[in-house]
Amino acid sequence: GNSVTQMEGPVTLSEEAFLTINCTYTATGYPSLFWYVQYPGEGLQLLLKATKADDKGSNKGFEATYRKETTSFHLEKGSVQVSDSAVYFCALSGLAGANSKLTFGKGITLSVRP
Amino acid sequence: DSGVTQTPKHLITATGQRVTLRCSPRSGDLSVYWYQQSLDQGLQFLIQYYNGEERAKGNILERFSAQQFPDLHSELNLSSLELGDSALYFCASRGGGLAGGNEQFFGPGTRLTVL
Repeated sequence: GNSVTQMEGPVTLSEEAFLTINCTYTATGYPSLFWYVQYPGEGLQLLLKATKADDKGSNKGFEATYRKETTSFHLEKGSVQVSDSAVYFCALSGLAGANSKLTFGKGITLSVRP
Repeated sequence: DSGVTQTPKHLITATGQRVTLRCSPRSGDLSVYWYQQSLDQGLQFLIQYYNGEERAKGNILERFSAQQFPDLHSELNLSSLELGDSALYFCASRGGGLAGGNEQFFGPGTRLTVL
């Protein structure tokens, strides 16, 4: 079955540091890949997505590139802010029907110090 | 605001009881998904409905059931509750068909505490 593996956390960075959160996946076919973010006490928000190989998703300074050869979708940001402190989930889904459910990684907590 | 609403926000109940969680999807979205988030299991898919019909099942216990009504809102029923059912329950919705995109939009969740 499908699975998503995220690097172990938590991660603590100083403001303006560079961020990389690793994500690799196992899936049949050609899944879509997502990063969701969960701020304290809130639901999940879609941060960015990519639907095919070599696509780059980007939003709010975050980027991730769909790498089929390495089955990866690493999240990066050049300069993190305190407001980026949250839990980040990598996820994948198939296109439609019974395959459209999201399979999530375990999530990683990011704390950014002023 | 994702456009997906869930009620109640918090629910505290006792073991053995039954509760109902409610979800209203984004306007026009035909698919509703339920997920459970717990510290030990992470985010787990429970069940999916599409336009009133069950489409896929995940790790959903037999004590749990769900349905989607003609107005497309959905309810998740949890019965014979156990301490281990304490978790955050999310509902998500997604547009229909390829043109609707394949991302899911999440509600704020219902935090269930079983005492």
